[in-house]
Amino acid sequence: SQKIEQNSEALNIQEGKTATLTCNYTNYSPAYLQWYRQDPGRGPVFLLLIRENEKEKRKERLKVTFDTTLKQSLFHITASQPADSATYLCALLPYNQGGKLIFGQGTELSVKP
Amino acid sequence: EPEVTQTPSHQVTQMGQEVILRCVPISNHLYFYWYRQILGQKVEFLVSFYNNEISEKSEIFDDQFSVERPDGSNFTLKIRSTKLEDSAMYFCASSEVGGRDYEQYFGPGTRLTVT
Repeated sequence: SQKIEQNSEALNIQEGKTATLTCNYTNYSPAYLQWYRQDPGRGPVFLLLIRENEKEKRKERLKVTFDTTLKQSLFHITASQPADSATYLCALLPYNQGGKLIFGQGTELSVKP
Repeated sequence: EPEVTQTPSHQVTQMGQEVILRCVPISNHLYFYWYRQILGQKVEFLVSFYNNEISEKSEIFDDQFSVERPDGSNFTLKIRSTKLEDSAMYFCASSEVGGRDYEQYFGPGTRLTVT
């Protein structure tokens, strides 16, 4: 069956450290992958997109890697700040499915000062 | 910065009643979507809409659900006869182009409570 899974446990880190979040998927191939941020009671906010033929993408303090052999994406926030505390969602966008995003359950990140 | 807006922010309705959730997508966007999120669960795709037609729908989007773009700006989701399990946050989203290279912009959501 098709699955997209993220670390279900909350991630607690100290300000200034790098947060690394994991997204694994099965039985979707090939795929594009997007990362969103969601704050409590709010809609997801787009952060980064990585294509199936890309290994790495960066935007300011954010970095995403994509390994289509392992079927895994890693999302990194460097020099983390308390304002980065939120739930981070990965989402697959399969071919020819009308823009349907398939979300993981999200990983809650808490950055302590 | 342009944004997707949704009304109402919170809707309470009785089981069996009809509800209409409203969205105003970003003005130059052509693709529109509805998602829902039951409390504590994943964001789930309901339907995508382009050129006045449904492009894709999920198993959740059964005959009780319908979407419409009644004018040039609004995009609505109707639930004909609400059930308790329809209680969720409903998000509208839009994208400039349909396709995997394009991010979807989400609205703030409508919290639907069915009693």
